[in-house]
Amino acid sequence: NAGVTQTPKFQVLKTGQSMTLQCAQDMNHEYMSWYRQDPGMGLRLIHYSVGAGITDQGEVPNGYNVSRSTTEDFPLRLLSAAPSQTSVYFCASKGTSGRAGTGELFFGEGSRLTVL
Amino acid sequence: AQSVTQPDIHITVSEGASLELRCNYSYGATPYLFWYVQSPGQGLQLLLKYFSGDTLVQGIKGFEAEFKRSQSSFNLRKPSVHWSDAAEYFCAVGGTSGGSYIPTFGRGTSLIVHP
Repeated sequence: NAGVTQTPKFQVLKTGQSMTLQCAQDMNHEYMSWYRQDPGMGLRLIHYSVGAGITDQGEVPNGYNVSRSTTEDFPLRLLSAAPSQTSVYFCASKGTSGRAGTGELFFGEGSRLTVL
Repeated sequence: AQSVTQPDIHITVSEGASLELRCNYSYGATPYLFWYVQSPGQGLQLLLKYFSGDTLVQGIKGFEAEFKRSQSSFNLRKPSVHWSDAAEYFCAVGGTSGGSYIPTFGRGTSLIVHP
């Protein structure tokens, strides 16, 4: 059972470049989300989705785009990378039934992004 | 708006000593409360959660937490810490905003364990 899979695990970009962080889950979870983790700041919500075709902004959405064409995938796009986007990014999902419906988030292992 | 405060950025304990990590929350209704642990280079893993019922909840790895509504607290405890418990610990409150589930995390407490 793979759970939540993020790729790549590490990435270095130059300012102005674009890239996509991939997230896939195999638990048939309706809810998926992206967080960024910075030292002393905890986890901050970037975007989330409650199902295919539905996305919404979180606390820090500027500079990021998302889409949700399937239940399984929730990619995060950086359109024009900036040094302020240097961070560790986590994808997390949550189901709506049984144990998964009790609010527990399942996290990927993270993607460490450095923008020079 | 919901919020979570973890007042301790770092906690240092000796192996075998007891541990308590503090968490205070702000939420308008009965909250869903969580503690997650993050080992270095890893994602977050759920330790325990509270939704309703018994205010003392047991989790994995020997951890427990007590929900105290009067103090708006959900402190994490362990009677005897092991070196492998060194990690980052996050308290979170789950709630809805505009009908959508929006959990909020504290800034985390880093646990250092001395041999």
